[in-house]
Amino acid sequence: GESVGLHLPTLSVQEGDNSIINCAYSNSASDYFIWYKQESGKGPQFIIDIRSNMDKRQGQRVTVLLNKTVKHLSLQIAATQPGDSAVYFCAELTTGGFKTIFGAGTRLFVKA
Amino acid sequence: DTEVTQTPKHLVMGMTNKKSLKCEQHMGHRAMYWYKQKAKKPPELMFVYSYEKLSINESVPSRFSPECPNSSLLNLHLHALQPEDSALYLCASSVDSLSEKLFFGSGTQLSVL
Repeated sequence: GESVGLHLPTLSVQEGDNSIINCAYSNSASDYFIWYKQESGKGPQFIIDIRSNMDKRQGQRVTVLLNKTVKHLSLQIAATQPGDSAVYFCAELTTGGFKTIFGAGTRLFVKA
Repeated sequence: DTEVTQTPKHLVMGMTNKKSLKCEQHMGHRAMYWYKQKAKKPPELMFVYSYEKLSINESVPSRFSPECPNSSLLNLHLHALQPEDSALYLCASSVDSLSEKLFFGSGTQLSVL
């Protein structure tokens, strides 16, 4: 979703549940779509990426889905843990490289 | 060593001051980046260096001056900043400019008074 003013979209989940974080992108020509996690006081940390010619990629406890028809990207986190609490940003690497552009973030709260 | 190190962690400066932010990586990466991040907002790209040459300047005001002395170091020189320049300044590196995986430092939290 889009952030408005000083407010980040927020997702609150119970520990052990699955989380789904969504992102809409605008540039159809990007080579890669990426998810980053940013914890308080730290820089963004790479989680997982997906190439533009794929629609699904799985990592350890995370899955990224890409729907190019509606320009939608999602991050699924299985069995969410307290350590997953952070702000999650989607990003895209533009065709030809050089520019990684970040989308609006989503704050994930995990309730113990 | 998979770290990007930024110094200082915090900086307070007046509008007439000159200061520099420093960034270092020893991963052999050949692309380095400066991003600016305001509170509760995504990082915004400022500059990209590829093989120590400035490749992208995202129309950043000239009061921000980047420098890449060698493949491991990236500086951002600051002069005559405005209060609205207060933000978290993040440095990142990647294997090269085609790589989709950026490694970020923890940033310098800058306050301009």
